Amino acid sequence: SQQGEEDPQALSIQEGENATMNCSYKTSINNLQWYRQNSGRGLVHLILIRSNEREKHSGRLRVTLDTSKKSSSLLITASRAADTASYFCATAAFSGGSNYKLTFGKGTLLTVNP
Amino acid sequence: EAGVTQFPSHSVIEKGQTVTLRCDPISGHDNLYWYRRVMGKEIKFLLHFVKESKQDESGMPNNRFLAERTGGTYSTLKVQPAELEDSGVYFCASSQEPLPEQFFGPGTRLTVL
Repeated sequence: SQQGEEDPQALSIQEGENATMNCSYKTSINNLQWYRQNSGRGLVHLILIRSNEREKHSGRLRVTLDTSKKSSSLLITASRAADTASYFCATAAFSGGSNYKLTFGKGTLLTVNP
Repeated sequence: EAGVTQFPSHSVIEKGQTVTLRCDPISGHDNLYWYRRVMGKEIKFLLHFVKESKQDESGMPNNRFLAERTGGTYSTLKVQPAELEDSGVYFCASSQEPLPEQFFGPGTRLTVL
């Protein structure tokens, strides 16, 4: 089954606007993480929200988690051109030992126009 | 502190050849993961090491892929013989308990012609 499916696939906004990306998943999770990937670079961890949390903030980022709907959203406020990147949600299901293997969606490509 | 590094950054080989990718995790991180992104698809888990032991290799596509982590430090992922469908970006990540956050390297872009 496909986990961490992001919506929309692409989003284009003007600098200063807010950007909201959504993620849906199918199975039980231990935590959900959001990552950013700038073109040609590696994945950068942005924020993690645990299954018993509903909302988390980090700077201009706000993440929500609704485990009843198996969905999460990432809000970037007051966007900047430097926020242009692909954003991925990744679900982690604790599978014994110390294994937190991540399951990713295809990502949302965010373009912030100056 | 140095992040996760991967070598090479790009590799172009012909079908049937062998390629070895290397990952150096963050110093002190016991957990090391390999992931792969084939063009147009999701980033998919390949396998997980805890120190030098394979904890989970359920994502390895077939026996042409061999991963090692001798001594529990750096890891290598060898593809032999490479096929066209192996083309993609191979990411390595590391983490240290009890924190679940994974730190990713920049990836190795593999092109099989």
